[in-house]
Amino acid sequence: GAVVSQHPSRVICKSGTSVKIECRSLDFQATTMFWYRQFPKQSLMLMATSNEGSKATYEQGVEKDKFLINHASLTLSTLTVTSAHPEDSSFYICSARDGYNPSTDTQYFGPGTRLTVL
Amino acid sequence: AQKITQTQPGMFVQEKEAVTLDCTYDTSDPSYGLFWYKQPSSGEMIFLIYQGSYDQQNATEGRYSLNFQKARKSANLVISASQLGDSAMYFCAMRAVEASYGKLTFGQGTILTVHP
Repeated sequence: GAVVSQHPSRVICKSGTSVKIECRSLDFQATTMFWYRQFPKQSLMLMATSNEGSKATYEQGVEKDKFLINHASLTLSTLTVTSAHPEDSSFYICSARDGYNPSTDTQYFGPGTRLTVL
Repeated sequence: AQKITQTQPGMFVQEKEAVTLDCTYDTSDPSYGLFWYKQPSSGEMIFLIYQGSYDQQNATEGRYSLNFQKARKSANLVISASQLGDSAMYFCAMRAVEASYGKLTFGQGTILTVHP
C-alpha cells in the first residue's frame, strides 16, 4: 500500500518557538494533503486542505497565521506551528490522497507527530 | 453537510469472539464512500475497509466486513474472531463525492478492548 511519512515523530519545544512538521508521500504523487489535529481519545479535527502549488484551505476557526501550510511539491507538505504555546500541544496527523488514481482514491495517513510545548 | 455518528464510546469483547462497531451517517449527496480506520495506541491511522454507496455487496477484507444498510444509513464494522491486537480506537469516516478534494468526515470513534 501507499506510504506516508511524517517527521519528526515527536517534538518538545519552548513556548514562543516555531516548529515545522513534514509530511511526505513516498511512493505516489499526492494531489491533496490534509492536516489534522487530535486530542487524546478524541476524533481527528481537520485543520486544512492543501493542494500542490496553491494556497491551503483552512477550516473554520483555524488560524492560518498560526498554522502555516506549504505544499511545494506533489510529495511534500509542511505544517509550521508559529510561536507555539502550551495550548498548541497535540497530536498532528497528515494524510495524502492520490487523486490521479481514482481506483485507489483513499486517504493514506502518516504516523503522526506529537508536539509538546513547554 | 455530512455527519458521522458512532454511539459506542467503548466496547469490550472476548478474544476469538465477533464484535460489531456501529456507525450511522447522514448526507444529502447521492454518491459517497464509507471508510473504517483503526488507530492503535501508537497513533497511526490504519485503513481497514471501504464501501461505496453504489456497491451492491457488502465489503469484506479478511476478518473485517462492513454491514452496509443504505436505507438505514448505517455502515457497521464487524470484526470476526477478535484478537488481542485488535484493541484500538476505531473510526468510521465518510467522503461525499461532492466533498472538497475528497475531504473525510470522521465519527467520534469507538475504543475497542479485547480481553484474553
